[in-house]
Amino acid sequence: AQTVTQSQPEMSVQEAETVTLSCTYDTSENNYYLFWYKQPPSRQMILVIRQEAYKQQNATENRFSVNFQKAAKSFSLKISDSQLGDTAMYFCAFILPGAGSYQLTFGKGTKLSVIP
Amino acid sequence: DTAVSQTPKYLVTQMGNDKSIKCEQNLGHDTMYWYKQDSKKFLKIMFSYNNKELIINETVPNRFSPKSPDKAHLNLHINSLELGDSAVYFCASSRLAGTYEQYFGPGTRLTVT
Repeated sequence: AQTVTQSQPEMSVQEAETVTLSCTYDTSENNYYLFWYKQPPSRQMILVIRQEAYKQQNATENRFSVNFQKAAKSFSLKISDSQLGDTAMYFCAFILPGAGSYQLTFGKGTKLSVIP
Repeated sequence: DTAVSQTPKYLVTQMGNDKSIKCEQNLGHDTMYWYKQDSKKFLKIMFSYNNKELIINETVPNRFSPKSPDKAHLNLHINSLELGDSAVYFCASSRLAGTYEQYFGPGTRLTVT
């Protein structure tokens, strides 16, 4: 079975600083897609960034970037210039397109608090 | 212009009742999903459905049933509600191509008393 592990249940960062959230996953497949989702107190699930496993280049979206290490099965999220609005739960997730169901498998989440 | 919408956002009901949660997407996606988020914030797939196939997570009780009147809608029916069904339920949708990104509705907080 595929699994996603987020080893940091909670983290905090000072406003304007940089923080890195860890994620590791386990799969024997070669073709998959990785995602980070953000869930603020409003409860809405928001897609932050995605990474295709076949791409070597790390994805970047404005202040958000990933460090994708395929051999190590690691997919960490870096948030630069942290803002108060970044306070949220962050979930790492992946999809195996060849598995048939296209379901997202989620980690247990990291609660990030940005401190003014 | 909401992409994925769910109604209601909050649902409080008593044990033993039957209830439904509606989901609609206007993204033109071909696949829809239901996820359950428990009190510890853990998200787990319940169903995935496109116009060809329903895939059910084997751990989901058969009191839960998805119903899709058309490609844009996937409703969730729950019979004989139990206390343990209290959770937040999310609907999502995606294309079965490209990057497989899933877009989520705002969630429905179900409380069973």
